[in-house]
Amino acid sequence: NAGVTQTPKFQVLKTGQSMTLQCAQDMNHNSMYWYRQDPGMGLRLIYYSASEGTTDKGEVPNGYNVSRLNKREFSLRLESAAPSQTSVYFCASIWSADSNQPQHFGDGTRLSIL
Amino acid sequence: AQKVTQAQTEISVVEKEDVTLDCVYETRDTTYYLFWYKQPPSGELVFLIRRNSFDEQNEISGRYSWNFQKSTSSFNFTITASQVVDSAVYFCALKGSGNTPLVFGKGTRLSVIA
Repeated sequence: NAGVTQTPKFQVLKTGQSMTLQCAQDMNHNSMYWYRQDPGMGLRLIYYSASEGTTDKGEVPNGYNVSRLNKREFSLRLESAAPSQTSVYFCASIWSADSNQPQHFGDGTRLSIL
Repeated sequence: AQKVTQAQTEISVVEKEDVTLDCVYETRDTTYYLFWYKQPPSGELVFLIRRNSFDEQNEISGRYSWNFQKSTSSFNFTITASQVVDSAVYFCALKGSGNTPLVFGKGTRLSVIA
């Protein structure tokens, strides 16, 4: 019953370092999403992948890149981390991007950039 | 564009009081879907309910009830006889038709005091 697995759960970086957040789902879902959650801001969409081989920008894509490695995995990369990217990052998946079903969320990655 | 407004940033109630969390949404889609999620202090996102735009029936699940009114573009959530375990951040979210991504409100932090 893994669902959506995010690694790592916690990470501290120095400004300018790079890092990749990993996300994997075992539900055979086609669509995957990356969100960031900041205090008082709710969840904001960074990037999403409606299907394997496609990626699209969300509301706050600047400073991030993504890779849909295969159907199961969707990674988020910070090339040069900045303190403004300190946040909790959530990955989510769903059977189809046009589905009306609720998204399945991972437990989050808490990232601090000093 | 889709938008969700949760005007109440924080609410504090005494145990056993009833509390209503407000959610107002904006969309031009005729078919859309509304969701409520709960985020307890442990941080995970827990799906509570989904409502389709063409189904305005209110719903009750135990101490939880939801009032969907298209005329006022609102999807409010009421907890009856609140308990300390209800303390969490609650998010309202909207998904339009097709591949449009899920849009979250900024959340309402509910504190239930014993």
